[in-house]
Amino acid sequence: AQSVTQLGSHVSVSEGALVLLRCNYSSSVPPYLFWYVQYPNQGLQLLLKYTSAATLVKGINGFEAEFKKSETSFHLTKPSAHMRDAAEYFCAVTPPPGAYNTDKLIFGTGTRLQVFP
Amino acid sequence: EAGVTQFPSHSVIEKGQTVTLRCDPISGHDNLYWYRRVMGKEIKFLLHFVKESKQDESGMPNNRFLAERTGGTYSTLKVQPAELEDSGVYFCASSQDRVGEQYFGPGTRLTVT
Repeated sequence: AQSVTQLGSHVSVSEGALVLLRCNYSSSVPPYLFWYVQYPNQGLQLLLKYTSAATLVKGINGFEAEFKKSETSFHLTKPSAHMRDAAEYFCAVTPPPGAYNTDKLIFGTGTRLQVFP
Repeated sequence: EAGVTQFPSHSVIEKGQTVTLRCDPISGHDNLYWYRRVMGKEIKFLLHFVKESKQDESGMPNNRFLAERTGGTYSTLKVQPAELEDSGVYFCASSQDRVGEQYFGPGTRLTVT
């Protein structure tokens, strides 16, 4: 079975500060990992994904995440927060093709990011 | 291209009533998924269509929920009869390929009173 844990339901940073949102996963097979963002009144938007290629993945809006198998982590970072980054962020996992007969996303509980001026 | 659309955006119904949610995927996307987020908890998978066929419905909570995808285009999710615990936000997503990016709609917020 697969699962995702996001540490911290709320994270607050000052504008210009480092953003670090934590995600740990549990999977019996090497997973595919995703970060999605939800801005107010909008659907989920894919920020970035890891699909067993490079372990450091760059996404949109200056975000990146590093897959660390030894730590079973996929933390999301951004060097300098902007006011427009305020949103809810979701980490998700899915098995790679062929591992199971499903490609459903399994989500963490989400982390709401607040950015203060 | 148009994104995934969902209708209605909000629905408030009484316990015991019926509600039907609709999802229009991105044109050409064979894969369509339904997810639900209840009371600020994690987003949970409900089911997955490939064209008009149910590929995986392991997340459907009980037989009060019925999903259809006629002709492999839009999908409906009917809740009958609705219970208080069905309140939440129902998301639809579509993708072109298996394990491709899933594109999400804005969700339907369902409130059962």
